[in-house]
Amino acid sequence: DGGITQSPKYLFRKEGQNVTLSCEQNLNHDAMYWYRQDPGQGLRLIYYSQIVNDFQKGDIAEGYSVSREKKESFPLTVTSAQKNPTAFYLCASSWFAEFNYGYTFGSGTRLTVV
Amino acid sequence: GQQLNQSPQSMFIQEGEDVSMNCTSSSIFNTWLWYKQDPGEGPVLLIALYKAGELTSNGRLTAQFGITRKDSFLNISASIPSDVGIYFCAGQPSNAGGTSYGKLTFGQGTILTVHP
Repeated sequence: DGGITQSPKYLFRKEGQNVTLSCEQNLNHDAMYWYRQDPGQGLRLIYYSQIVNDFQKGDIAEGYSVSREKKESFPLTVTSAQKNPTAFYLCASSWFAEFNYGYTFGSGTRLTVV
Repeated sequence: GQQLNQSPQSMFIQEGEDVSMNCTSSSIFNTWLWYKQDPGEGPVLLIALYKAGELTSNGRLTAQFGITRKDSFLNISASIPSDVGIYFCAGQPSNAGGTSYGKLTFGQGTILTVHP
């Protein structure tokens, strides 16, 4: 079955360490997105990529980095420069030309920095 | 960036009650989407709307694309405990271009709690 997979579901890291969150999709979608969600809050866009080897900053890109070397994969690195990294991270994908059909979301990664 | 105003922010209801929530924008939208997020999971698309005035149902859920194209409504009838979660509206403004093309705008969500 096609879908979008985020791993791991839960991640614990010490303060000051970089950590990479995985996102893989087999839907053949062109575009991929990373969102951050804080408790009881909405979705804030971190980065998005509409095509391989290209990506754009979202509203809260500071302290994060991404790569898009393959169509299927869009990993997110939370760097030590991110001042408040503890949050729920959601990855999504869509057809670029038909994004108005909606995004498909992964099940999320909950990152806790101690 | 573009803002969507979603209300109410939260609702506490009894099982069996009907629920209404809405999203409004200062801009015209071409598409309205409604998502539900279960606790600890990613949002799942419930209903998609593409024409002004369109009324679409999915089981106990009914959503409408406002005539002005600046708002949308979601109704849930006869709520049950598994309706608990966060409901998000999302859409694509008609004037989006450049780097905004291809990006959906999301509302802040309505947190729904259903008491048995």
